[in-house]
Amino acid sequence: QVQLQESGPGLVKPSETLSLTCAVSGYSISSGYYWGWIRQPPGKGLEWIGSIYHSGSTYYNPSLKSRVTISVDTSKNQFSLKLSSVTAADTAVYYCARHAPTRAMVDYWGQGTLVTVSS
Amino acid sequence: EIVLTQSPATLSLSPGERATLSCRASQSVSSYLAWYQQKPGQAPRLLIYDASNRATGIPARFSGSGSGTDFTLTISSLEPEDFAVYYCQQRSNWPPTFTFGPGTKVDIK
Repeated sequence: QVQLQESGPGLVKPSETLSLTCAVSGYSISSGYYWGWIRQPPGKGLEWIGSIYHSGSTYYNPSLKSRVTISVDTSKNQFSLKLSSVTAADTAVYYCARHAPTRAMVDYWGQGTLVTVSS
Repeated sequence: EIVLTQSPATLSLSPGERATLSCRASQSVSSYLAWYQQKPGQAPRLLIYDASNRATGIPARFSGSGSGTDFTLTISSLEPEDFAVYYCQQRSNWPPTFTFGPGTKVDIK
C-alpha cells in the first residue's frame, strides 16, 4: 500500500521560505510516476503547485514557477517543496501526491498539512 | 492555460436521486480528465481517471463520460456518504501540468 506523509513547519513568517517534505512508503520513487504538491486554501479549491519525475525533471504551475523548487531524494525515498517569499495568500493545506505518467490520475495523496503564513 | 468550469456550483438532492455533474474545458483535453471526491478534513479521493475509467474500489454507481471539452460525472443513486465536493482535473499531455476545476458541492436537500 502506497503511503505519503507530509512534514514541516505549520507556521511560516511572511517573506520567508516554506519548506515541506513528503516521505513515501510502500513504493520506490525510483520506480517511476510523478510526485507532486497540491494545495488548498481554507474553504477554497485545489491548486497544483508542481511535480517531479524520479529522474529529477520538474514541472511547475506557471503562476508559481518563480517561487517554487521541488527536489527528490531517492536514497531517502522522499521529495520536498520550497516556496519562497510567502504571503498570507500562501496559507493552505499542502498535499503531496503521486500521479501517473501517462494518465489523468492522481492516485495517492498524503493526509495534508496546514501551513499558515503569519507574523 | 486550460481552464476548467464546473456546473452547477451546488447540487441539492435527496438520497436515492441521480446526480449529474458537468465539467467543461476551455480547449480540448482529449480524455485526460479525472474526477475526485473530497469530504471535509480529508484529502481528495480519485473516482474516475481518463474520463471514464473507475478507480480501484470505486462503486459502480459512479460513472464518467465525455471527451474533448465536455465531461460528465454521474452518480446513479446517491448514498448518504456521497454528499461531498467533487472536482474535475485535467492533465496536459506535455509538459505534464494540470489544473483543477472549482468544484461542485453535492448537498442534502
